[in-house]
Amino acid sequence: GAGVSQSPSNKVTEKGKDVELRCDPISGHTALYWYRQRLGQGLEFLIYFQGNSAPDKSGLPSDRFSAERTGESVSTLTIQRTQQEDSAVYLCASSLVIRNEQFFGPGTRLTVL
Amino acid sequence: AQTVTQSQPEMSVQEAETVTLSCTYDTSESDYYLFWYKQPPSRQMILVIRQEAYKQQNATENRFSVNFQKAAKSFSLKISDSQLGDAAMYFCAYNWNQFYFGTGTSLTVIP
Repeated sequence: GAGVSQSPSNKVTEKGKDVELRCDPISGHTALYWYRQRLGQGLEFLIYFQGNSAPDKSGLPSDRFSAERTGESVSTLTIQRTQQEDSAVYLCASSLVIRNEQFFGPGTRLTVL
Repeated sequence: AQTVTQSQPEMSVQEAETVTLSCTYDTSESDYYLFWYKQPPSRQMILVIRQEAYKQQNATENRFSVNFQKAAKSFSLKISDSQLGDAAMYFCAYNWNQFYFGTGTSLTVIP
């Protein structure tokens, strides 16, 4: 595709359920990032992948959060046992190399009831 | 540690006027990248302008330009001839090994 895509665009779930968010980066982009953006706030770094290197997970807020990426393609962010505080927009971005502008997806709005 | 500070949570500008959004950052690196991103209500983040730290010349993209002061670690964005479509959140970002974003400035354009 022409840009970064994310699915679903909106997700409503009940507290305690697990959710999976998907990101399809731009083809050929080696770097992929996940961010969380709470309402009216800035971007909170969660995790990034660079090629086949070990991901930088330093931003993950708890062990309920995990992410995977297969090669240089799709990534999934999984949140287990969701809490109301997890409600936010989750943004994915990719870039050609690590030091280059990021191209963002439209985000997934997660609402935990 | 790298940090990015945007000290103006909200700004407003009359249509056709000029506005400057401020950004400062903290780093011990000498070669890095700086960006301004725009996030309209649609929440799609859009790159506005990019500056490489090794370049002394300020970046310009049509009505958008930056004032990059490396020694002062300042990276402000100037929007000239403001248009209604410029209304959005603007985020300043620093990149060396990882991206760091400021908390954003909400820009309102008054008709």
